[in-house]
Formats: sequence, structure tokens, C-alpha cells
Amino acid sequence: DAKTTQPNSMESNEEEPVHLPCNHSTISGTDYIHWYRQLPSQGPEYVIHGLTSNVNNRMASLAIAEDRKSSTLILHRATLRDAAVYYCILRLFLYSSASKIIFGSGTRLSIRP
Amino acid sequence: GAVVSQHPSWVICKSGTSVKIECRSLDFQATTMFWYRQFPKQSLMLMATSNEGSKATYEQGVEKDKFLINHASLTLSTLTVTSAHPEDSSFYICSANGLSATGEQYFGPGTRLTVT
Repeated sequence: DAKTTQPNSMESNEEEPVHLPCNHSTISGTDYIHWYRQLPSQGPEYVIHGLTSNVNNRMASLAIAEDRKSSTLILHRATLRDAAVYYCILRLFLYSSASKIIFGSGTRLSIRP
Repeated sequence: GAVVSQHPSWVICKSGTSVKIECRSLDFQATTMFWYRQFPKQSLMLMATSNEGSKATYEQGVEKDKFLINHASLTLSTLTVTSAHPEDSSFYICSANGLSATGEQYFGPGTRLTVT
């Protein structure tokens, strides 16, 4: 499986934008880029995903480099509730109900009030 | 969106006893579920893939006789930690792939197991 590389930790101020980077230089053409986050003492939750084009949803935006070797998760206005570990994951385009997720170490995001 | 629940949310048991954790998909059917374990300050580690009506597939290094998985219906998978020891104390999380073609996975809230 192609791997991702993320900074171990990041810190940001409340109500400011946050850009969380992810490198995936060995990504294949059949990989989707997924982001999940895990709040303290909870299971992970889906944030966003994309293939080639930038994506927006109510939680975040995903900016994907033209060569797809890196991506950035953007939280437009961080709140204290966004403090979590963010995981960047590659998943096969050809979805199967049995396709599993292998988590990397993720980025621990702290938000300063 | 789809919901996955776990029961119990936390459990304390004595060393040598067995503990069963349930994972349910509440509004969708899941032929496959996944079990993860997470130690403090660490990432999630995939333990096994639970397959409805057949044997689970365990990841390398996970003892199948210690972590018994049963997936008897399309909405329920159970993980039984047998002869638990203090080193089994961990946060156990289950998940299932949703119905979306792009494979969004839904995670349960986790079960905190403490073995005394």
C-alpha cells in the first residue's frame, strides 16, 4: 500500500485557518485521498476525500497537488473542537466492502484559545 | 450518515477472565467489519477483518485464539478477549465500510478495556 507522511503535531490559534499537509509521493492512479480525524477518546470520523480536483464540504477543504503527490487539508476557521489527530489515508478507487484502512501516525492538532 | 455502535463503552475486568465487546451497524448492513486496538498516544492498529458468516482474517502478530471474532449477522460483530491480562488494556474500536462507492468507513465510539 502506498504510504503517507504527515507532521507529528501542529498548533494553531482559534478562529484562524489551519493547513494540514500530507505527502504521498508513491500514490497510484487508483488511490483516493481520504482524511479522517479522531477526537480524544472517540472513534475516528470521516472528514473529506478526493481524487484529483480540490474538494469542499461543510467540515473542510481538500487541496490536491497537480501531480497528486501531496495534499492539504484546510480547516477554514479552527475552533477548540477541531483539536484532534488528523489522518491522511490512501484508499483504492475500486471500492470493496472488504477494503481496510491502515492508519499512519497522523498529525496531532492543538488549538490555542 | 451511517452509524456504528459499540457496547459496552467501557469495561473493567479481572485478569484471567474473558470480555465480549459488541459492534453493531445501526442503519445499514455490513458484510465486513474491522477491529482496531489503540494504546494511549498511539495510532489505531488493525487487528482483524470480521466477515459475516465466515472466519475472521487476522493481521500478522494478532493471536486469533486470544481475540475471538464472531460475525453472526449482517449488523453484529463481536470481539471476545479471552483470558485477559493487564497488557490487553486498551481502546478497542470497530468499523464498517459504508454504502458509498468511494468507501467512506464508519467507526464506532470505541470500548475502553481495563484489566486489573
